Amino acid sequence: QSALTQPASVSGSPGQSITISCTGTSSDVGSYNLVSWYQQHPGKAPKLMIYEVSKRPSGVSNRFSGSKSGNTASLTISGLQAEDEADYYCCSYAGSSTFEVFGGGTKLTVL
Amino acid sequence: QVQLQESGPGLVKPSETLSLTCTVSGGSVSSGSYYWSWIRQPPGKGLEWIGYIYYSGSTNYNPSLKSRVTISVDTSKNQFSLKLSSVTAADTAVYYCAREAPPTTFDYWGQGTLVTVSS
Repeated sequence: QSALTQPASVSGSPGQSITISCTGTSSDVGSYNLVSWYQQHPGKAPKLMIYEVSKRPSGVSNRFSGSKSGNTASLTISGLQAEDEADYYCCSYAGSSTFEVFGGGTKLTVL
Repeated sequence: QVQLQESGPGLVKPSETLSLTCTVSGGSVSSGSYYWSWIRQPPGKGLEWIGYIYYSGSTNYNPSLKSRVTISVDTSKNQFSLKLSSVTAADTAVYYCAREAPPTTFDYWGQGTLVTVSS
Protein backbone atom coordinates (compact mmCIF):
# COMPACT_ATOMS: atom_id res chain seq x y z
CA GLN A 1 0.00 0.00 0.00
CA SER A 2 1.43 3.36 -1.09
CA ALA A 3 1.79 6.17 1.37
CA LEU A 4 0.02 8.65 -0.95
CA THR A 5 -3.34 7.84 -2.53
CA GLN A 6 -3.98 8.47 -6.21
CA PRO A 7 -6.88 7.34 -8.39
CA ALA A 8 -5.93 4.26 -10.38
CA SER A 9 -7.09 5.79 -13.63
CA VAL A 10 -8.46 8.95 -15.20
CA SER A 11 -9.45 9.69 -18.76
CA GLY A 12 -10.29 12.62 -20.97
CA SER A 13 -10.76 13.59 -24.57
CA PRO A 14 -8.28 15.64 -26.58
CA GLY A 15 -8.55 19.32 -25.69
CA GLN A 16 -10.20 18.69 -22.35
CA SER A 17 -8.71 19.24 -18.91
CA ILE A 18 -8.20 16.59 -16.25
CA THR A 19 -7.06 16.66 -12.66
CA ILE A 20 -5.22 13.93 -10.78
CA SER A 21 -5.37 14.01 -7.00
CA CYS A 22 -2.72 12.88 -4.53
CA THR A 23 -3.98 12.50 -0.98
CA GLY A 24 -1.62 12.20 1.93
CA THR A 25 -1.73 13.20 5.58
CA SER A 26 -0.76 16.07 7.83
CA SER A 27 2.64 14.36 8.16
CA ASP A 28 3.53 14.64 4.49
CA VAL A 29 1.54 16.57 1.87
CA GLY A 30 -0.16 18.71 4.48
CA SER A 31 3.04 19.78 6.21
CA TYR A 32 5.42 20.56 3.37
CA ASN A 33 5.28 22.39 0.06
CA LEU A 34 7.49 19.64 -1.31
CA VAL A 35 5.26 17.72 -3.69
CA SER A 36 6.45 16.71 -7.13
CA TRP A 37 4.80 14.99 -10.08
CA TYR A 38 6.30 12.59 -12.61
CA GLN A 39 5.13 11.39 -16.02
CA GLN A 40 6.13 7.90 -17.10
CA HIS A 41 5.57 6.42 -20.53
CA PRO A 42 5.75 2.62 -20.90
CA GLY A 43 9.28 1.30 -20.69
CA LYS A 44 10.72 4.74 -19.96
CA ALA A 45 12.14 6.47 -16.92
CA PRO A 46 9.90 8.93 -15.08
CA LYS A 47 10.11 12.59 -16.09
CA LEU A 48 9.79 15.50 -13.67
CA MET A 49 6.74 17.60 -14.53
CA ILE A 50 6.08 19.66 -11.39
CA TYR A 51 8.17 20.32 -8.27
CA GLU A 52 7.56 22.16 -5.00
CA VAL A 53 3.80 21.83 -5.54
CA SER A 54 3.44 24.18 -8.51
CA LYS A 55 6.79 24.92 -10.14
CA ARG A 56 7.42 23.77 -13.68
CA PRO A 57 10.90 22.74 -14.86
CA SER A 58 12.26 24.36 -17.97
CA GLY A 59 10.92 22.62 -21.06
CA VAL A 60 7.70 21.31 -19.50
CA SER A 61 4.56 22.55 -21.20
CA ASN A 62 2.52 25.18 -19.37
CA ARG A 63 -0.48 22.89 -19.91
CA PHE A 64 0.74 21.14 -16.76
CA SER A 65 0.05 22.80 -13.43
CA GLY A 66 0.11 21.80 -9.80
CA SER A 67 -1.64 22.90 -6.63
CA LYS A 68 -2.26 21.84 -3.06
CA SER A 69 -5.06 22.17 -0.55
CA GLY A 70 -4.69 20.69 2.89
CA ASN A 71 -3.51 17.11 2.64
CA THR A 72 -4.27 16.79 -1.08
CA ALA A 73 -2.10 17.84 -3.98
CA SER A 74 -3.36 17.98 -7.55
CA LEU A 75 -1.94 17.87 -11.05
CA THR A 76 -4.02 19.48 -13.78
CA ILE A 77 -3.39 18.92 -17.46
CA SER A 78 -5.22 21.28 -19.78
CA GLY A 79 -5.70 20.93 -23.53
CA LEU A 80 -5.16 17.16 -23.39
CA GLN A 81 -3.04 15.74 -26.15
CA ALA A 82 -2.48 12.15 -27.22
CA GLU A 83 1.12 12.24 -26.00
CA ASP A 84 -0.08 12.99 -22.46
CA GLU A 85 -1.29 9.40 -22.17
CA ALA A 86 1.01 7.94 -19.53
CA ASP A 87 1.27 7.02 -15.87
CA TYR A 88 1.59 9.87 -13.39
CA TYR A 89 3.11 9.67 -9.91
CA CYS A 90 3.15 12.16 -7.07
CA CYS A 91 5.90 12.31 -4.47
CA SER A 92 6.00 14.14 -1.15
CA TYR A 93 8.51 14.82 1.56
CA ALA A 94 7.35 13.16 4.76
CA GLY A 95 9.73 14.44 7.41
CA SER A 96 13.09 13.35 8.75
CA SER A 97 12.01 9.83 9.70
CA THR A 98 10.15 8.68 6.59
CA PHE A 99 11.75 11.13 4.14
CA GLU A 100 10.14 10.61 0.73
CA VAL A 101 7.00 8.79 -0.33
CA PHE A 102 5.39 8.17 -3.71
CA GLY A 103 1.79 7.74 -4.69
CA GLY A 104 0.58 4.53 -6.26
CA GLY A 105 0.32 6.09 -9.70
CA THR A 106 -2.52 7.09 -12.02
CA LYS A 107 -2.96 5.86 -15.57
CA LEU A 108 -4.15 8.65 -17.84
CA THR A 109 -6.02 7.58 -20.96
CA VAL A 110 -6.64 10.08 -23.73
CA LEU A 111 -9.81 8.90 -25.43
CA GLN B 1 23.44 17.73 -19.92
CA VAL B 2 23.54 15.45 -16.90
CA GLN B 3 23.32 11.75 -17.65
CA LEU B 4 23.06 8.80 -15.30
CA GLN B 5 23.63 5.15 -16.19
CA GLU B 6 22.92 2.14 -14.02
CA SER B 7 25.03 -1.00 -14.28
CA GLY B 8 25.16 -4.34 -12.55
CA PRO B 9 23.90 -7.94 -12.70
CA GLY B 10 20.42 -8.49 -14.04
CA LEU B 11 19.93 -11.71 -12.09
CA VAL B 12 20.52 -12.25 -8.39
CA LYS B 13 19.85 -15.38 -6.35
CA PRO B 14 17.56 -15.29 -3.32
CA SER B 15 19.34 -14.45 -0.04
CA GLU B 16 22.27 -12.89 -1.90
CA THR B 17 23.19 -9.21 -2.21
CA LEU B 18 22.06 -7.03 -5.10
CA SER B 19 24.76 -4.57 -6.19
CA LEU B 20 24.29 -1.74 -8.67
CA THR B 21 26.40 1.25 -9.69
CA CYS B 22 25.29 4.55 -11.17
CA THR B 23 27.79 6.45 -13.29
CA VAL B 24 27.19 10.18 -13.62
CA SER B 25 28.34 12.24 -16.59
CA GLY B 26 27.86 15.92 -17.34
CA GLY B 27 27.73 16.66 -13.63
CA SER B 28 29.57 15.86 -10.42
CA VAL B 29 28.50 13.72 -7.48
CA SER B 30 30.69 16.08 -5.44
CA SER B 31 28.24 18.93 -6.00
CA GLY B 32 26.89 20.15 -2.71
CA SER B 33 23.59 21.07 -4.33
CA TYR B 34 22.24 17.58 -4.87
CA TYR B 35 21.49 14.23 -3.35
CA TRP B 36 22.04 11.06 -5.38
CA SER B 37 19.16 8.64 -5.10
CA TRP B 38 17.99 5.13 -5.84
CA ILE B 39 14.36 4.39 -6.68
CA ARG B 40 12.81 1.09 -7.74
CA GLN B 41 9.69 -0.08 -9.54
CA PRO B 42 8.46 -3.67 -9.39
CA PRO B 43 7.02 -4.90 -12.69
CA GLY B 44 3.60 -3.37 -13.26
CA LYS B 45 3.71 -1.47 -9.97
CA GLY B 46 4.53 1.98 -8.65
CA LEU B 47 7.70 3.77 -7.64
CA GLU B 48 9.43 3.25 -4.30
CA TRP B 49 12.16 5.52 -2.94
CA ILE B 50 15.07 3.46 -1.61
CA GLY B 51 17.44 6.12 -0.31
CA TYR B 52 19.97 8.79 -1.12
CA ILE B 53 23.54 9.82 -0.46
CA TYR B 54 25.18 13.23 -0.26
CA TYR B 55 28.70 13.79 -1.56
CA SER B 56 29.96 13.86 2.01
CA GLY B 57 28.78 10.30 2.49
CA SER B 58 25.75 11.19 4.54
CA THR B 59 22.82 8.87 3.77
CA ASN B 60 19.12 8.46 4.41
CA TYR B 61 17.13 5.32 3.67
CA ASN B 62 13.53 4.21 3.34
CA PRO B 63 12.66 2.91 6.82
CA SER B 64 11.13 -0.25 5.32
CA LEU B 65 14.44 -1.16 3.64
CA LYS B 66 16.93 0.44 6.01
CA SER B 67 18.16 -2.79 7.58
CA ARG B 68 19.19 -4.18 4.18
CA VAL B 69 20.35 -1.12 2.22
CA THR B 70 23.74 0.52 1.85
CA ILE B 71 24.39 3.42 -0.52
CA SER B 72 27.94 4.62 -1.07
CA VAL B 73 29.68 7.20 -3.24
CA ASP B 74 33.00 7.19 -5.09
CA THR B 75 33.78 10.79 -5.99
CA SER B 76 36.98 9.79 -7.84
CA LYS B 77 34.93 7.75 -10.32
CA ASN B 78 31.88 10.06 -10.21
CA GLN B 79 29.74 7.09 -9.23
CA PHE B 80 27.41 6.04 -6.47
CA SER B 81 26.30 2.54 -5.62
CA LEU B 82 23.49 0.51 -4.08
CA LYS B 83 23.74 -2.71 -2.12
CA LEU B 84 20.59 -4.54 -1.01
CA SER B 85 21.18 -7.63 1.08
CA SER B 86 19.14 -10.79 1.68
CA VAL B 87 17.07 -10.30 -1.44
CA THR B 88 13.84 -12.16 -2.18
CA ALA B 89 11.54 -12.30 -5.19
CA ALA B 90 9.81 -9.19 -3.83
CA ASP B 91 12.97 -7.22 -4.64
CA THR B 92 12.58 -7.93 -8.36
CA ALA B 93 12.21 -4.51 -9.95
CA VAL B 94 13.56 -1.93 -12.33
CA TYR B 95 16.11 0.04 -10.34
CA TYR B 96 16.65 3.69 -11.22
CA CYS B 97 19.33 6.08 -10.08
CA ALA B 98 18.42 9.75 -10.04
CA ARG B 99 19.71 13.17 -9.11
CA GLU B 100 17.68 14.88 -6.44
CA ALA B 101 17.56 18.60 -5.87
CA PRO B 102 16.35 18.06 -2.35
CA PRO B 103 13.81 17.13 -1.39
CA THR B 104 11.63 15.12 -3.76
CA THR B 105 12.74 16.88 -6.94
CA PHE B 106 14.25 14.09 -9.03
CA ASP B 107 15.30 16.04 -12.09
CA TYR B 108 17.56 13.57 -13.89
CA TRP B 109 17.07 9.81 -14.07
CA GLY B 110 18.97 6.86 -15.43
CA GLN B 111 17.24 4.63 -17.95
CA GLY B 112 16.69 1.96 -15.31
CA THR B 113 17.94 -1.60 -15.04
CA LEU B 114 15.81 -4.68 -14.40
CA VAL B 115 17.05 -6.89 -11.60
CA THR B 116 15.38 -10.26 -11.24
CA VAL B 117 15.71 -12.28 -8.06
CA SER B 118 15.52 -15.96 -8.92
CA SER B 119 17.40 -19.16 -8.38
